[in-house]
Amino acid sequence: GQQVMQIPQYQHVQEGEDFTTYCNSSTTLSNIQWYKQRPGGHPVFLIQLVKSGEVKKQKRLTFQFGEAKKNSSLHITATQTTDVGTYFCAAHPNNDYKLSFGAGTTVTVRA
Amino acid sequence: DTEVTQTPKHLVMGMTNKKSLKCEQHMGHRAMYWYKQKAKKPPELMFVYSYEKLSINESVPSRFSPECPNSSLLNLHLHALQPEDSALYLCASSQFDTGQFFGPGTRLTVL
Repeated sequence: GQQVMQIPQYQHVQEGEDFTTYCNSSTTLSNIQWYKQRPGGHPVFLIQLVKSGEVKKQKRLTFQFGEAKKNSSLHITATQTTDVGTYFCAAHPNNDYKLSFGAGTTVTVRA
Repeated sequence: DTEVTQTPKHLVMGMTNKKSLKCEQHMGHRAMYWYKQKAKKPPELMFVYSYEKLSINESVPSRFSPECPNSSLLNLHLHALQPEDSALYLCASSQFDTGQFFGPGTRLTVL
């Protein structure tokens, strides 16, 4: 079945620095979604990308979908303590409600 | 109302008990989901209901029994659970293959 691989597993960032988390698939994806889960919380939907090469921004977060629709990235600029949490990418197999999650990138921030 | 609610927040049960988890959404979403999440792992899909009918069962043991009484409610009936079933149980809803809205979860401990 479709698997979504996500790296890195952990990201320790100095406050104010930038970082990127990557998501890769061996098969073409119909869309990709990103979620954030704060410690002790539940996943919160951030965004969905559908088009090849699509780039979307939410304040300091930039989401990108690869031209071949097999990879995606989330780039955060000027990291803040509020960015702490685990970021998951997730993708749908075609014509299915099932959402396949990546392993997640857990972000910690050094003040 | 853009919220998914779940009750109870915490549940401790013995292996011979019968209990139920409840989930409610009023966003008009026609797909509802149950996930199981272990610590430091991504959510793992258990069941999907589409238009109040079970559409996906991810080979979940029969000691977990889902029920969808109407388009807003989703229950998960628990019976004869094992200690390894202790986890965070998340409910989510969505409109087809768009982003999923998760509830806060029920943290279950099986003694």
